[in-house]
Amino acid sequence: DTGVSQNPRHKITKRGQNVTFRCDPISEHNRLYWYRQTLGQGPEFLTYFQNEAQLEKSRLLSDRFSAERPKGSFSTLEIQRTEQGDSAMYLCASSLAGAMREQYFGPGTRLTVT
Amino acid sequence: TQLLEQSPQFLSIQEGENLTVYCNSSSVFSSLQWYRQEPGEGPVLLVTVVTGGEVKKLKRLTFQFGDARKDSSLHITAAQPGDTGLYLCAGPSNGNAGKSTFGDGTTLTVKP
Repeated sequence: DTGVSQNPRHKITKRGQNVTFRCDPISEHNRLYWYRQTLGQGPEFLTYFQNEAQLEKSRLLSDRFSAERPKGSFSTLEIQRTEQGDSAMYLCASSLAGAMREQYFGPGTRLTVT
Repeated sequence: TQLLEQSPQFLSIQEGENLTVYCNSSSVFSSLQWYRQEPGEGPVLLVTVVTGGEVKKLKRLTFQFGDARKDSSLHITAAQPGDTGLYLCAGPSNGNAGKSTFGDGTTLTVKP
C-alpha cells in the first residue's frame, strides 16, 4: 500500500465554479477525514466517515460543501459555487477506528479560487 | 472546545543547535500525536504519546507527554537542515469519537 493519495494535487478555478476532489485512503483503514488548512494554521476539521457513514460535519462547513464515501473506500469532497475564501489546502487522512486515532495524511489538494 | 497552543510559533536556528517546542492545553487529552509537515505536502505522523509522563525517542527527536496529559514537548538534538518544517501536535477532541484538534504548529528553520 502506498499510503493516502489525493487528486488533483492542484486546482485553479474561477469564482462560482464547482470543484470535486478525490481521496483514496489506506486500504485497511475504515475512517476517513477531510481537513482544510490555510497558511500559518493547523489543519481544520471538516468531516469524517467511518466506512460509508458520515459521522460528523463541522459547523464551519457551509451547505456548499458536500462529501461522500459511497462504498466505504474512496471519498470525494465537492465545493459548489466556489468563493475566494475557499482557497486553501484540502487534506485527506485515514485511520483505523480506535482511541489513539493515528491519522495518516495524503499530500493534499491545493485549491486556488480566482 | 479543547484547544492546543503551540510555542514558539517560529524558530530559526543554526545546524547543530538543540531546541524544544511545546504543545499546551488546559484540557486533558487521552493521547497526543506529533506531525511534521513540509511546504505543499500533508503532515507526516512522527509519534503518538499516550501515558502521562511518557518519553519516546525517535533518533534525535525526544517527545514527552506531561504527567497530567495536558501538555507535550518535542526536543531535537543537534538539529539538521532536514529537520526544517512545520511541527504540529494533535489530539482527540473531547467526547468525540473521531474528530481531532490540531495546534497551529511551530515553523522550524534550521540553517546550514
